[in-house]
Amino acid sequence: QKEVEQDPGPLSVPEGAIVSLNCTYSNSAFQYFMWYRQYSRKGPELLMYTYSSGNKEDGRFTAQVDKSSKYISLFIRDSQPSDSATYLCAMTPNFGNEKLTFGTGTRL
Amino acid sequence: GAVVSQHPSWVICKSGTSVKIECRSLDFQATTMFWYRQFPKQSLMLMATSNEGSKATYEQGVEKDKFLINHASLTLSTLTVTSAHPEDSSFYICSASSGNTIYFGEGSWLTVV
Repeated sequence: QKEVEQDPGPLSVPEGAIVSLNCTYSNSAFQYFMWYRQYSRKGPELLMYTYSSGNKEDGRFTAQVDKSSKYISLFIRDSQPSDSATYLCAMTPNFGNEKLTFGTGTRL
Repeated sequence: GAVVSQHPSWVICKSGTSVKIECRSLDFQATTMFWYRQFPKQSLMLMATSNEGSKATYEQGVEKDKFLINHASLTLSTLTVTSAHPEDSSFYICSASSGNTIYFGEGSWLTVV
């Protein structure tokens, strides 16, 4: 079993729809959770960062973390064609010297 | 905000030659940088952790003699692919942490012909 599971998609939604992207994980030591957006042939771009459980909102994006269920989500409201990309969830126990563990990415 | 820069963005080299990729943190110091490799339609695979002033820590299965990492300063880490072969063709990405955020470079496309 992978440490982080993410549905690879592809996911196709109409413009203006709400998109829900999800990851599950098995390592209870993960404390920091991130969502990255990666356009084709480019490096990942940080979208959202959340520490521990809870919600965080930034514009059209909302990140949710439920540590009790080991489940994280990214919601995109009023989706736009420019949102078409691969979305990667990533997590780590600590920042600084800890490596990130990535999901496989969901292509939207 | 913090920016991580990679150079070159893309490079083509002949089989058997070596190629160096640079990763720079432009407005912050990074004692630790990470090197990833990504194949098409796949996620990022961590290759090694680059520590300033000390040897890099390689992930299992990554040949340290083939992928030489040097982190000579707090703002620069380099990855050298030695004796490159076509199977080394890939997208190489570095990252560095600043505070509680990890930033990625734009990546470097390597094609070995």
